[in-house]
Amino acid sequence: DTAVSQTPKYLVTQMGNDKSIKCEQNLGHDTMYWYKQDSKKFLKIMFSYNNKELIINETVPNRFSPKSPDKAHLNLHINSLELGDSAVYFCASSPGTSGYQETQYFGPGTRLLVL
Amino acid sequence: QKEVEQDPGPLSVPEGAIVSLNCTYSNSAFQYFMWYRQYSRKGPELLMYTYSSGNKEDGRFTAQVDKSSKYISLFIRDSQPSDSATYLCAMTGQGGSEKLVFGKGTKLTVNP
Repeated sequence: DTAVSQTPKYLVTQMGNDKSIKCEQNLGHDTMYWYKQDSKKFLKIMFSYNNKELIINETVPNRFSPKSPDKAHLNLHINSLELGDSAVYFCASSPGTSGYQETQYFGPGTRLLVL
Repeated sequence: QKEVEQDPGPLSVPEGAIVSLNCTYSNSAFQYFMWYRQYSRKGPELLMYTYSSGNKEDGRFTAQVDKSSKYISLFIRDSQPSDSATYLCAMTGQGGSEKLVFGKGTKLTVNP
């Protein structure tokens, strides 16, 4: 009964490859997020979706494309992976539409290493 | 100047000590202040949540916000080895679409 789950937990791949990370929440939340945590532990928002609609898109390269097939899922597809994409990617969700003031529940993270 | 500044530490204290963790910020529009705890190789989890200025207490944890100084603190009393984690402050403004801005986190180790 994991609240926010991500797959895979670890991802090691070569530069130039395309990869996807999946996220699912079983909390019935309307809003989901993707964060990137770099090697210095700095956690930064990438995207935010509310009920399958994109509401926040930070300055993220076009190689990153989120997809939300339904409000319980938010997947992250990354094209043409670069060394600088190596990081831990966290998915999160929050209950409603009040925005960032709401409590966010984080997944366990996906550790991506690009060689 | 970064929007949110947090001393990354590391901070090492003996069990039972009082721990003080702090963040400063530059954006006066921030109204909501949070502390997240992140254990090694885990996702962050919300520890404390405060709106505007003032204090909030929850068990051994106390969060303080001083908006006039743009300074927030988290105090941990009677610290335990299980408190060993990275503590991240986070804050956001009044608008629903404003992003949550995190500090870099302070790594705390409580030694038995």
